[in-house]
Amino acid sequence: EPEVTQTPSHQVTQMGQEVILRCVPISNHLYFYWYRQILGQKVEFLVSFYNNEISEKSEIFDDQFSVERPDGSNFTLKIRSTKLEDSAMYFCASSEVQLSYEQYFGPGTRLTVT
Amino acid sequence: GENVEQHPSTLSVQEGDSAVIKCTYSDSASNYFPWYKQELGKGPQLIIDIRSNVGEKKDQRIAVTLNKTAKHFSLHITETQPEDSAVYFCAARGRGAGSYQLTFGKGTKLSVIP
Repeated sequence: EPEVTQTPSHQVTQMGQEVILRCVPISNHLYFYWYRQILGQKVEFLVSFYNNEISEKSEIFDDQFSVERPDGSNFTLKIRSTKLEDSAMYFCASSEVQLSYEQYFGPGTRLTVT
Repeated sequence: GENVEQHPSTLSVQEGDSAVIKCTYSDSASNYFPWYKQELGKGPQLIIDIRSNVGEKKDQRIAVTLNKTAKHFSLHITETQPEDSAVYFCAARGRGAGSYQLTFGKGTKLSVIP
């Protein structure tokens, strides 16, 4: 069964450093998402991406964040200058087509900012 | 924006008993309500969903009901098994057509006691 994959599984970085989180969505999916989950809290939407541009973004997704689809398979989330409060689990998700409601999540990347 | 409330936060049941988790949502335009199961160290796994034109949906031991008038929906798990132990999240797709972000509840930690 196809699944979303994410790398790395755990990333430790120092405050102020840039990090790139990588995702490989399910191959025939066209919509991509990033969510985050701070420890013990609910999963929060960050951004959705379709046709090489951002479709929606939340208030959390400020200028420090960017997303990119650098090739036909990868989808990345970049945090330019990490803060302590960026420490969270980051989940990538994908869905098949515009009218497809189902979003399938990857296993997540645990980001720890020290 | 959409707000999803989920209860209870923890639930313990004896193996073989039923478990019910309830969620309410605020945006009457929401039209899609998925349930995710998250096991320790893994990403959310879509287990069942319901759309606003349906009142109930069942898949083996799992069922979901939706009351649009009251803006609440529930997950029912019958004949619970130890492998059902996990955190369950409800979600709603907010702002209707054109919005694909999911708004999540805070989660319910279900423990099935053998």
